[in-house]
Amino acid sequence: DAGVIQSPRHEVTEMGQEVTLRCKPISGHNSLFWYRQTMMRGLELLIYFNNNVPIDDSGMPEDRFSAKMPNASFSTLKIQPSEPRDSAVYFCASRTGINEKLFFGSGTQLSVL
Amino acid sequence: QQQVKQSPQSLIVQKGGIPIINCAYENTAFDYFPWYQQFPGKGPALLIAIRPDVSEKKEGRFTISFNKSAKQFSLHIMDSQPGDSATYFCAASKGSNYKLTFGKGTLLTVNP
Repeated sequence: DAGVIQSPRHEVTEMGQEVTLRCKPISGHNSLFWYRQTMMRGLELLIYFNNNVPIDDSGMPEDRFSAKMPNASFSTLKIQPSEPRDSAVYFCASRTGINEKLFFGSGTQLSVL
Repeated sequence: QQQVKQSPQSLIVQKGGIPIINCAYENTAFDYFPWYQQFPGKGPALLIAIRPDVSEKKEGRFTISFNKSAKQFSLHIMDSQPGDSATYFCAASKGSNYKLTFGKGTLLTVNP
């Protein structure tokens, strides 16, 4: 299994631009999580899905952030418009419904200039 | 409100030493306590985890000690190696959703 696949690995954009981060969870996993990692705040949970349905989006910082999971094998995290303070590493993670082990992707390093 | 407090922020030990990383939590409803290991450029990976019905769990060189009354748990790495140099995160969750709350991480350096 290739694990959780995220793209792109690196994204550099200018303030005000739309950014879309992509995630393919491990096949058979039915829970998907988006985390953001910064030096100041550590790993923060943004949103998680169960069976493609958003269960808890209380960590989404503001309306500029949105996430979708149109099917079991794909999720996106969109930031529109992006701001410099959004610069961080964004991780996607997935797990099965019966195992608590969370599998993380390698992350997307986002830089907003 | 920081629900999981981790210390120290960084730690340097010599090869063979026993680094200890500590975490304290506030929410008594937490019932799952994992430790994750992260290498540069990679996502965190589960190292070891414990539930509050036991006070200690050992897997290889890694041991979790858990003190329910004090709401604290710690990671011990026996016979540490340079390859153990990484950032370690404690975390906690409650219930079956396993929505993890992470500590801020400890950067461990093991010198040869």
